[in-house]
Amino acid sequence: AQSVAQPEDQVNVAEGNPLTVKCTYSVSGNPYLFWYVQYPNRGLQFLLKYITGDNLVKGSYGFEAEFNKSQTSFHLKKPSALVSDSALYFCAVRDPILTGGGNKLTFGTGTQLKVEL
Amino acid sequence: DAGVIQSPRHEVTEMGQEVTLRCKPISGHDYLFWYRQTMMRGLELLIYFNNNVPIDDSGMPEDRFSAKMPNASFSTLKIQPSEPRDSAVYFCASTIWGGVVDTEAFFGQGTRLTVV
Repeated sequence: AQSVAQPEDQVNVAEGNPLTVKCTYSVSGNPYLFWYVQYPNRGLQFLLKYITGDNLVKGSYGFEAEFNKSQTSFHLKKPSALVSDSALYFCAVRDPILTGGGNKLTFGTGTQLKVEL
Repeated sequence: DAGVIQSPRHEVTEMGQEVTLRCKPISGHDYLFWYRQTMMRGLELLIYFNNNVPIDDSGMPEDRFSAKMPNASFSTLKIQPSEPRDSAVYFCASTIWGGVVDTEAFFGQGTRLTVV
């Protein structure tokens, strides 16, 4: 079965500092990986995705993520954090080859990012 | 396109009542997902459809929950009878996967359900 792990419930960063939100995954085939952000009382908004190709993926609002197949990780990063980046971040995986349940989109438990002045 | 549309945005109901949540996916999308979000359990996949056919409903918590997709532009999630522990935010998402187009999933604004 496919799964996603976000080991940190909360990440605190000072504004201007780099941030990393961690994500590891488990799938049987080649993963499609996604990052979403959720602001209070809102739905999830797409940030970026990895399907194939370059391991470093750039997305919205200056975020990027690096796919590492050997470590089965897809960590979200930003060189300089803003207070407005404070939100709940979700990593998700889709295994298009999964037998009997192909294309299931599974989310991690979320990481609350808090950026302080 | 207006995006994924869910209704109602908020629902307060009494325990034992039937609740129906509605979702209109983005036109042309062939996958539709229902998720439930709570503080304790995070974002749980309840069920998803491909071309209106349920593919995996293993996340549906109990027989009190049922979901239908009678056509490509409408889906419902029904809880009957409702219980206080069903209180959560329910999200619908849609996407188009496979073939020439392969997009990310788009989420609705969610329905906040409170069962008292």
